[in-house]
Amino acid sequence: GAVVSQHPSWVICKSGTSVKIECRSLDFQATTMFWYRQFPKQSLMLMATSNEGSKATYEQGVEKDKFLINHASLTLSTLTVTSAHPEDSSFYICSARRQGGPTEAFFGQGTRLTVV
Amino acid sequence: GIQVEQSPPDLILQEGANSTLRCNFSDSVNNLQWFHQNPWGQLINLFYIPSGTKQNGRLSATTVATERYSLLYISSSQTTDSGVYFCAVDTGFQKLVFGTGTRLLVSP
Repeated sequence: GAVVSQHPSWVICKSGTSVKIECRSLDFQATTMFWYRQFPKQSLMLMATSNEGSKATYEQGVEKDKFLINHASLTLSTLTVTSAHPEDSSFYICSARRQGGPTEAFFGQGTRLTVV
Repeated sequence: GIQVEQSPPDLILQEGANSTLRCNFSDSVNNLQWFHQNPWGQLINLFYIPSGTKQNGRLSATTVATERYSLLYISSSQTTDSGVYFCAVDTGFQKLVFGTGTRLLVSP
């Protein structure tokens, strides 16, 4: 299977600060990556689609100014949680697929964000 | 949007028992995947199964796309099988919609 690496695995930050999370595809190129959020004991919800070289597309209800996404290369997408608040505390996880046609999605290890 | 429901929501098994997890979806899908989420949150790919039947060791899965459901079979369960099992479907835009999940606890 393909390898998707996410960093950091966990982070604690103070309210009002920003946190950047990286998602890398290690052994394949991905023009599209996806960011999900999971609250405790709930399912995963898609936040946004990260498109290499263009703007991300956000799901309904997700604030694009709070969750900044940059997909600067074919192997790296970043999610920045800006002006974090305690309600942003959650598990964030990215996924990617190999280019070309419908294929299996692979996920990073996830990042547990705690805002204090 | 598409609805993806899993059953049962919770399942407790004795080690060695067999189980069947179900995933129902409300619309046609291009792809379907099964995942195991371990206690650390990592999603482990189990099956990529838009249709048909696949087996991998003690696990097997069947998707009947025309009837909009998929089944995951776990045989001879082990304590390491504990965790949350998700199915997720792709309706054609490469975005995965996750099911509600089944929380499995296998006791020794």
